[in-house]
Amino acid sequence: AQTVTQSQPEMSVQEAETVTLSCTYDTSESDYYLFWYKQPPSRQMILVIRQEAYKQQNATENRFSVNFQKAAKSFSLKISDSQLGDAAMYFCAYSGETSGSRLTFGEGTQLTVNP
Amino acid sequence: DTGVSQNPRHKITKRGQNVTFRCDPISEHNRLYWYRQTLGQGPEFLTYFQNEAQLEKSRLLSDRFSAERPKGSFSTLEIQRTEQGDSAMYLCASSLGGSASHEQFFGPGTRLTVL
Repeated sequence: AQTVTQSQPEMSVQEAETVTLSCTYDTSESDYYLFWYKQPPSRQMILVIRQEAYKQQNATENRFSVNFQKAAKSFSLKISDSQLGDAAMYFCAYSGETSGSRLTFGEGTQLTVNP
Repeated sequence: DTGVSQNPRHKITKRGQNVTFRCDPISEHNRLYWYRQTLGQGPEFLTYFQNEAQLEKSRLLSDRFSAERPKGSFSTLEIQRTEQGDSAMYLCASSLGGSASHEQFFGPGTRLTVL
């Protein structure tokens, strides 16, 4: 079975600075995808960024980028120029082609952005 | 609004009562997923549908839980004889296809409190 681990329950960052959230996963599948989802307080979960395992290039979306280390099974999220609106719970998630495309989530990291 | 909608948003019930939740996915999405999220944790997969067919059920889905998607559009999740341990946020998500690469769009969730 696939597992996703987020070892940082809470993180904080000063506005305009950079923060990195960690995620590790375990799988025996060769074809899979990794995601970071953001869940603001009392609001819907939204996709932040997606990485295909077969791609060596790290995904980027504006201020958000990932560091995907396939051999180490590590998938960290870097948020640059942090904004107050980035404050939320962040979940790392895994989806595999042979596991029904369901998402397996980590425990989450609560990010606080200090003004 | 063309996003995923869920009703009701909040449900308070007494132990032993039955409850039913509804999810309306994005109209062209043929995949529909149910997840359960307890406080401070990541969502856990419950079940998913490809059109009207229920393709997988998690071991978390006890016999008291049943889900349907009768016409391949909206879905319902029923919990019979609710227990206090059923208190959680129930999330619905939909996606365009069955590939693991496809983004899942989440609804706002139904928060269930069992007294």
